Amino acid sequence: AQSVTQPDIHITVSEGASLELRCNYSYGATPYLFWYVQSPGQGLQLLLKYFSGDTLVQGIKGFEAEFKRSQSSFNLRKPSVHWSDAAEYFCAVVPRGSARQLTFGSGTQLTVLP
Amino acid sequence: TAGITQAPTSQILAAGRSMTLRCTQDMRHNAMYWYRQDLGLGLRLIHYSNTAGTTGKGEVPDGYSVSRANTDDFPLTLASAVPSQTSVYFCASSDSGTRGNEQFFGPGTRLTVL
Repeated sequence: AQSVTQPDIHITVSEGASLELRCNYSYGATPYLFWYVQSPGQGLQLLLKYFSGDTLVQGIKGFEAEFKRSQSSFNLRKPSVHWSDAAEYFCAVVPRGSARQLTFGSGTQLTVLP
Repeated sequence: TAGITQAPTSQILAAGRSMTLRCTQDMRHNAMYWYRQDLGLGLRLIHYSNTAGTTGKGEVPDGYSVSRANTDDFPLTLASAVPSQTSVYFCASSDSGTRGNEQFFGPGTRLTVL
């Protein structure tokens, strides 16, 4: 079955530490891939997206993500986390083809320690 | 540019009552969507509209109805609310003709059904 999985429900890191949030998908063809961030009480903001081409994608707020076809993964990374990065992060996919509906992972809650 | 606005911001509703959540976008996007967000489940699609005058069912449509009389507005109606409809509701829009169908989200409506 087609799915998108975020294995980590909650991650805690110290400010200044590096961060990697995992996302795996299960689709016949590589879908379009997105990462969204949701700050407390806010709507969702797009961090970055992958359609094709260079497998390392740069986004806003210093985030990047790497597409790995062999692992069906699209992990989000940041070299040095800031306290303001505390939020919930959602991986999402849009299948290539006619359906074009966005499917979300269940989210990863990030806590940043001072 | 306001982007997407939703009203109300929050609401407490007695079970059995009806309610309409409002959503308006000013980006002239052809497609609009309603999602509900529940802890541990991410965002799930309720209904969508690919263009004015058409609507479709998403993953969790039961108990909800939508209409799309024009491009800008996409109201979501709960005809007879039940406690399981307590959730945060997000409206989104996209230019579905663009590659990847990137969606833009409103700030959400927090609904509590008692």
